[in-house]
Amino acid sequence: EAGVTQSPTHLIKTRGQQATLRCSPISGHTSVYWYQQALGLGLQFLLWYDEGEERNRGNFPPRFSGRQFPNYSSELNVNALELEDSALYLCASSPRELRLGYEQYFGPGTRLTVT
Amino acid sequence: GEDVEQSLFLSVREGDSSVINCTYTDSSSTYLYWYKQEPGAGLQLLTYIFSNMDMKQDQRLTVLLNKKDKHLSLRIADTQTGDSAIYFCAEIPYGGYQKVTFGIGTKLQVIP
Repeated sequence: EAGVTQSPTHLIKTRGQQATLRCSPISGHTSVYWYQQALGLGLQFLLWYDEGEERNRGNFPPRFSGRQFPNYSSELNVNALELEDSALYLCASSPRELRLGYEQYFGPGTRLTVT
Repeated sequence: GEDVEQSLFLSVREGDSSVINCTYTDSSSTYLYWYKQEPGAGLQLLTYIFSNMDMKQDQRLTVLLNKKDKHLSLRIADTQTGDSAIYFCAEIPYGGYQKVTFGIGTKLQVIP
């Protein structure tokens, strides 16, 4: 079974540009989560999508947005990039109706560097 | 808000036991997790414990939970060089399955 995949592996942008990151969940998973792992800050919850809708978002400005497609893959868009947006962006997926616990499967991440 | 704290770095000799500690603040936590992140890879779920348990053992891994002190630990017996990674503690508040809070991660270095 293929795991969560993310693309690109690395992305270099300049300040003010826009970045688009992509994620494909495990087959059968309908929920996709995005996290930012910035140096020294640990993992911060960004967004949760399920069944094509944004269900929850973390404490990030509106220039962080995304969407989920009918095949459950997802995009994360970061507009007006700032230097502090440089981080590893991790995507995770889970089955929607998981009841007995809560397990997310993580992708390898996209390393975004803003210069 | 919720907060999860970990020490940043731990160094042990191969064959010794490693103990990685974590403290959390949310008393309504339902599940507490340990993830492992190897270089260039995503997070891998190692083990988890329900908040009504005190201990869970899974092969070389032992998780201890002290609910009174809100302290969680991960013990790795007979630590191997392949255990070198960053270990994240995470907690899920009751009713907030989608708002998992992660610690900053502890980098474990295993010396051959």
